[in-house]
Amino acid sequence: EDQVTQSPEALRLQEGESSSLNCSYTVSGLRGLFWYRQDPGKGPEFLFTLYSAGEEKEKERLKATLTKKESFLHITAPKPEDSATYLCAVQEVGGSTLGRLYFGRGTQLTVWP
Amino acid sequence: SQTIHQWPATLVQPVGSPLSLECTVEGTSNPNLYWYRQAAGRGLQLLFYSVGIGQISSEVPQNLSASRPQDRQFILSSKKLLLSDSGFYLCAWSVLNGGQPQHFGDGTRLSIL
Repeated sequence: EDQVTQSPEALRLQEGESSSLNCSYTVSGLRGLFWYRQDPGKGPEFLFTLYSAGEEKEKERLKATLTKKESFLHITAPKPEDSATYLCAVQEVGGSTLGRLYFGRGTQLTVWP
Repeated sequence: SQTIHQWPATLVQPVGSPLSLECTVEGTSNPNLYWYRQAAGRGLQLLFYSVGIGQISSEVPQNLSASRPQDRQFILSSKKLLLSDSGFYLCAWSVLNGGQPQHFGDGTRLSIL
């Protein structure tokens, strides 16, 4: 069973059309939830960390929010340069220094002019 | 600031040939290091991780091995490549404490012929 599920798998938006990406998780205790952006042929680029329900983080047109079972990445007035795959990952509470992350399969966002 | 380097960026190898992919991190000491493989539509699969020199843990039994000869160097190897080893290989690092994000290199696209 996947610990992290992202939806939708793909999303096409017109420039300026705001929307949200969803990340739901099933780990028993959340140490942290992480959002990444990945451009084609590149490694994931870290965007945000969220630690507790109710927390929000913002960066330019992106805002990430967290509840007890899911996170949303809100994209306000997107531009074509926001086109990328957005990955969500969670880290479980467990006392390990490993810092293992469980990744979702991503949402491929395309913003057209 | 910390940086992570992976090379080569692309590699085409015949079946049965050996493999060595290298990853180095700069600007931090004693990081956790990780090797992932990313297949289209399947997300990131953790292959190996290391919490220190010479300490390697394998997540998935396979045709690959990893080594950490120096604090900030992580090597992915194979003695004989299989067709199924094709993919996008990513190296990442994080600080030792939990709750921190992993930071990725730009990956190696490996094609087996």
